[in-house]
Amino acid sequence: AQRVTQPEKLLSVFKGAPVELKCNYSYSGSPELFWYVQYSRQRLQLLLRHISRESIKGFTADLNKGETSFHLKKPFAQEEDSAMYYCALSAPDNYGQNFVFGPGTRLSVLP
Amino acid sequence: KAGVTQTPRYLIKTRGQQVTLSCSPISGHRSVSWYQQTPGQGLQFLFEYFSETQRNKGNFPGRFSGRQFSNSRSEMNVSTLELGDSALYLCASSPQGSGANVLTFGAGSRLTVL
Repeated sequence: AQRVTQPEKLLSVFKGAPVELKCNYSYSGSPELFWYVQYSRQRLQLLLRHISRESIKGFTADLNKGETSFHLKKPFAQEEDSAMYYCALSAPDNYGQNFVFGPGTRLSVLP
Repeated sequence: KAGVTQTPRYLIKTRGQQVTLSCSPISGHRSVSWYQQTPGQGLQFLFEYFSETQRNKGNFPGRFSGRQFSNSRSEMNVSTLELGDSALYLCASSPQGSGANVLTFGAGSRLTVL
């Protein structure tokens, strides 16, 4: 069965410091990995997906199949990055998509 | 383009009652999935519908059911409510094709069971 772990429930960093939100997964096939973000009083929304290989709002994430990780990184954190971040795995099968979300990490960027 | 709309936004029920929640996906999205969000368990997948067919189901008891209509709108029903069913229920829709995996979430329906 697929599983997603995010070891930190809360991560606090100062503005301008680098930030890394950890995500590890277990899945025997070829999953798709995502980061979703929920800002205060806003809906859960897609931040980035591994197949896009994009940098969104300065965030990047690289899929490491050897370590089964998909850590989210940003070199210089901003106060507006404070939010709840969820790592998610999609395990496609013959009948569609099946998403598994991690427990989430709350990022707090201090001034 | 209108987003994913969920109704009602808030509701209070008592144990033993049943509840029906509604979700209207983004126009053109044919996949609708439902999630339960609680502080203790986080986001848990309930089920996914595509073209009126349930394609996937999470590990929830049979009290949780859903359906999808020909216009892609979806409803979920919880019967014989328990206190532990208190949660935020999120609906998400996704398109077909290469963007099929990208979920767009609604604001959620917050259910309180007394």
